[in-house]
Amino acid sequence: AQKVTQAQTEISVVEKEDVTLDCVYETRDTTYYLFWYKQPPSGELVFLIRRNSFDEQNEISGRYSWNFQKSTSSFNFTITASQVVDSAVYFCALSEPTDSNYQLIWGAGTKLIIKP
Amino acid sequence: ETGVTQTPRHLVMGMTNKKSLKCEQHLGHNAMYWYKQSAKKPLELMFVYSLEERVENNSVPSRFSPECPNSSHLFLHLHTLQPEDSALYLCASSQGRLSSNEQFFGPGTRLTVL
Repeated sequence: AQKVTQAQTEISVVEKEDVTLDCVYETRDTTYYLFWYKQPPSGELVFLIRRNSFDEQNEISGRYSWNFQKSTSSFNFTITASQVVDSAVYFCALSEPTDSNYQLIWGAGTKLIIKP
Repeated sequence: ETGVTQTPRHLVMGMTNKKSLKCEQHLGHNAMYWYKQSAKKPLELMFVYSLEERVENNSVPSRFSPECPNSSHLFLHLHTLQPEDSALYLCASSQGRLSSNEQFFGPGTRLTVL
């Protein structure tokens, strides 16, 4: 069965610290996609990244980086030098795209609090 | 114009009321979604419309009724709701309905059922 686990319910760090949000997934398919979305207090989810199962290269975008490891079924997200504006709920999600599959499997989310 | 807009942003209703949530996307997408977000639960997909075809989560109660008059507009009609229906209702759109496509979300409607 498909499943996405974000074991960290809430993380609180002081500004400028680095922080890693964990995501562990379960799937039987060899072709799948993983996503991270950010939900700030305003409510809308904002797309951060999509990674397909055949691309295990780590990705860096400014202060954000993602570590995809198929061996451990993990897709962790690191924020370097965190800022107060990074405070939000972050969701990891899994997709197994087929003609009949339109659903993302969402994790429960990790609430990140960055203190000034 | 913001990509996906939702109105109202906040709604308080009694269990006997009838109300509607509205969503509009300005991105030229052909698939639209309704999600329910309850506290401490994963996002729950309620309905998907793609190229005028509706796909729904069979666990959604019939007191929620979607309508998609065209590819840019999506409604969620509410009637005789229960207090446990109180949640944030999010609308999203994408180009194509495959789950591998990036979805763009609106800010949500915070619904409170008294």
